[in-house]
Amino acid sequence: DIQMTQSPSSLSASVGDRVTITCRASQGISSWLAWYQQKPGKAPKSLIYAASSLQSGVPSRFSGSGSGTYFTLTINSLQPEDFATYFCQHYNNYPVTFGGGTKVEIK
Amino acid sequence: QVQLVESGGGVVQPGRSLGLSCAASGFTFSSYVMHWVRQAPGKGLEWVAVISKDGSTQTYADSVKGRFTISRDNSKNTVYLQMSSLTTEDTAVYSCAREFHSSNLAGAFDIWGQGTRVSVS
Repeated sequence: DIQMTQSPSSLSASVGDRVTITCRASQGISSWLAWYQQKPGKAPKSLIYAASSLQSGVPSRFSGSGSGTYFTLTINSLQPEDFATYFCQHYNNYPVTFGGGTKVEIK
Repeated sequence: QVQLVESGGGVVQPGRSLGLSCAASGFTFSSYVMHWVRQAPGKGLEWVAVISKDGSTQTYADSVKGRFTISRDNSKNTVYLQMSSLTTEDTAVYSCAREFHSSNLAGAFDIWGQGTRVSVS
């Protein structure tokens, strides 16, 4: 199985900050990577697919990049509604696996 | 609106069975591959199973293979997860998810349900 390693596991940031979260795959997955946002008690929300494609309706301050084994999710100008947990998922093959999550907290 | 609503969770004894349902609305259900994903308390997300649009093909995580069965009824816009021989390791919130983008081998999800809690004890 492909292991997805996300870092950091948590971070503190202020409104307006730029935040970058990384996700590493244990083997190459081309660009078959998705990013999700989850708030407590809510279903995950799709943000990015195919490593860098923005899901419809997602603000342009979110961006994704990378290919192969190294990927990043960047949030430019963090907004109050962005404080949440973010996780990556590969879909190169089955089983799809997820990163452990990054909790973005208010500084 | 587009939504998935799970039901059927509860408390069950080890070794027993439980069936979950996921009702879809707001989209053409039969046009989408569907998945089940779970999250154990304090743990990360774990993919469980996937079923093709017509229900003819299913794939399972090794941890549930032989014990869980995914199925769907496109006339009822519902996907199911029948779980048997449950263990404490199966305790989790179970969510269904709609696949919207595929590598031709696996998929990413655009719509998730809020989940139904299963406790095995």
